[in-house]
Amino acid sequence: ETGVTQSPTHLIKTRGQQVTLRCSSQSGHNTVSWYQQALGQGPQFIFQYYREEENGRGNFPPRFSGLQFPNYSSELNVNALELDDSALYLCASSLTNEQYFGPGTRLTVT
Amino acid sequence: DAKTTQPPSMDCAEGRAANLPCNHSTISGNEYVYWYRQIHSQGPQYIIHGLKNNETNEMASLIITEDRKSSTLILPHATLRDTAVYYCIVRAPNQAGTALIFGKGTTLSVSS
Repeated sequence: ETGVTQSPTHLIKTRGQQVTLRCSSQSGHNTVSWYQQALGQGPQFIFQYYREEENGRGNFPPRFSGLQFPNYSSELNVNALELDDSALYLCASSLTNEQYFGPGTRLTVT
Repeated sequence: DAKTTQPPSMDCAEGRAANLPCNHSTISGNEYVYWYRQIHSQGPQYIIHGLKNNETNEMASLIITEDRKSSTLILPHATLRDTAVYYCIVRAPNQAGTALIFGKGTTLSVSS
């Protein structure tokens, strides 16, 4: 147990729809990172938020966006869903260097 | 791209030590070696990290060669629950916006 929670655990969306995934960070952690993990691959970095500001982004298009709230919880929003967006979405919270991951949200796009 | 190279798979008998190698020949002087593991369909779990000295915690030991170009993660007494994908990652500390760059890792299978 890392103290990082994510919701929902699973969801199914249709191509073209929008989705919001949520993450509650470990108490006191001010940094949240989001990762996408396709089947059989390692997690790929989407972006990171530090004290409500985005401070790093991986190679993902602008339709992937996020928010971090004053309590350091975070949202990942994906617009215009594509079939290739089907993946496990992971968030990780950190205070210093070690990142602690939540269990992930399994998104299926049909 | 990941800066590490790991064997795709390894097998280990339950109760024996599992030694997982990692090559990071281009590691920079300020970069640490991190190990995470991911049990099927769960989020990655932090195991251990080190700079140049050997490190040990309740989960594992990390042995880093003197030239820092490679390292070995040691699980001293592997159990069935250690079956997972193990990721070796190099990363500089305290860099805003830096991410963990995962490769494909090593799938460790522990059998009885």
